[in-house]
Formats: sequence, C-alpha cells, structure tokens
Amino acid sequence: KQEVTQIPAALSVPEGENLVLNCSFTDSAIYNLQWFRQDPGKGLTSLLLIQSSQREQTSGRLNASLDKSSGRSTLYIAASQPGDSATYLCAVTDDYKLSFGAGTTVTVRA
Amino acid sequence: NAGVMQNPRHLVRRRGQEARLRCSPMKGHSHVYWYRQLPEEGLKFMVYLQKENIIDESGMPKERFSAEFPKEGPSILRIQQVVRGDSAAYFCASSPPRTGVNEQFFGPGTRLTVL
Repeated sequence: KQEVTQIPAALSVPEGENLVLNCSFTDSAIYNLQWFRQDPGKGLTSLLLIQSSQREQTSGRLNASLDKSSGRSTLYIAASQPGDSATYLCAVTDDYKLSFGAGTTVTVRA
Repeated sequence: NAGVMQNPRHLVRRRGQEARLRCSPMKGHSHVYWYRQLPEEGLKFMVYLQKENIIDESGMPKERFSAEFPKEGPSILRIQQVVRGDSAAYFCASSPPRTGVNEQFFGPGTRLTVL
C-alpha cells in the first residue's frame, strides 16, 4: 500500500523567502506525481505534474523535482508572496488512483 | 472550457436521510474519480468510473455508498441513510481519455454536514 508523507506539516516564512516542501512515498512504482494547492474551504488546483520518466517540472516561480528511486519529490517556490499562503498537497498515481499526503500548510508573512 | 463542476457546494442532511452529490467532468473528459476528505485527514480515493462503468470502487464503503456515471448526465455519488461520520468534503476529479499522462482536474467539492 502506497504511503505518502509530507514534511513539514506547517511552515511560516517572511515574504520573499524561498519555500522548500518535501514529499516522500514508499512505493517507487508510480505513474506520475502531482503537486496541488488547496485554499481553505476550496477545491484543489493542480500546480505541476511530473511523469515517472521525468526528473523535474517548472512553472513560473515553481519548480518540482522527482527522484523515483529514493521515493522523494521536492517543491520549490521562489520569492514567496502572501498569496502563496495555502496548503500544498503531494499525490502519486499508480496508473489512475491518487494517493495523497496530508499536506504542508504554508503561511507567508507580509 | 469550464472546469469540473460539482453541486451542491454545501449539503446539510439529518441522520438517516439520503445525500446525492453531482459531478460534471470537464468537456472531453470521460474518466471520473471521487475522493473524500474527512476532517483533519487527507484525501482518500473512493471510486473510479468511466461512462456506464465502475472501474474501481475499492475505496468506497461497502454499505450505503454507490456511484454511477451514466451515458448522459453527470456522475452521481449517492449516500443512503447518512450518519454523522459521513460529514466530509467530497471531491470529484476528471481526466481525458488515456494518452499516457493521467492528469486529474478537481472540482470545488461538496461539503456534506450530517446533523
């Protein structure tokens, strides 16, 4: 059974600082990995998807890396802004079923 | 292109009543997934459907819960005789026909409260 762990559970940083969010998974036989953002009481917004054959994906200030052999992914957010405050979820797919971590709740202080 | 739509956004039911949650996938998407987020817990997979077929319902409770995705119309998640423990946020996701990348797009969720 796939287990996904996200560390830290919560993070508070001053505006402008870079964010580093970690995700680990127990079964390396994944199809792809997605990072999502969830705002309080809202749905999930897909940020980045990394296919199992890829090592990283970039979108604007976001960069996600994937090391499938060690079961790890890292999401980097450069030059954080108060609008980046949200919960960030990591999820891995074993073909079609997403297994989620518990999330990292980020607060960016103005 | 409208995103995944779910309704209602909020639903209040008394114990013993039925809850019906609806999900309209993105245009061109033929795969629908339901996930549940219990209070203070992560999202858990419930069921995967294609048009008129249940592909995997391994995450769905064996009793009181059912799901369908008919040829016409939205996907429905039905919970009969609701109990307080069913209070949660229920999210629907959709994906296009399999092309090698199974990116799932989520709706805003239905927040069910059982009194």
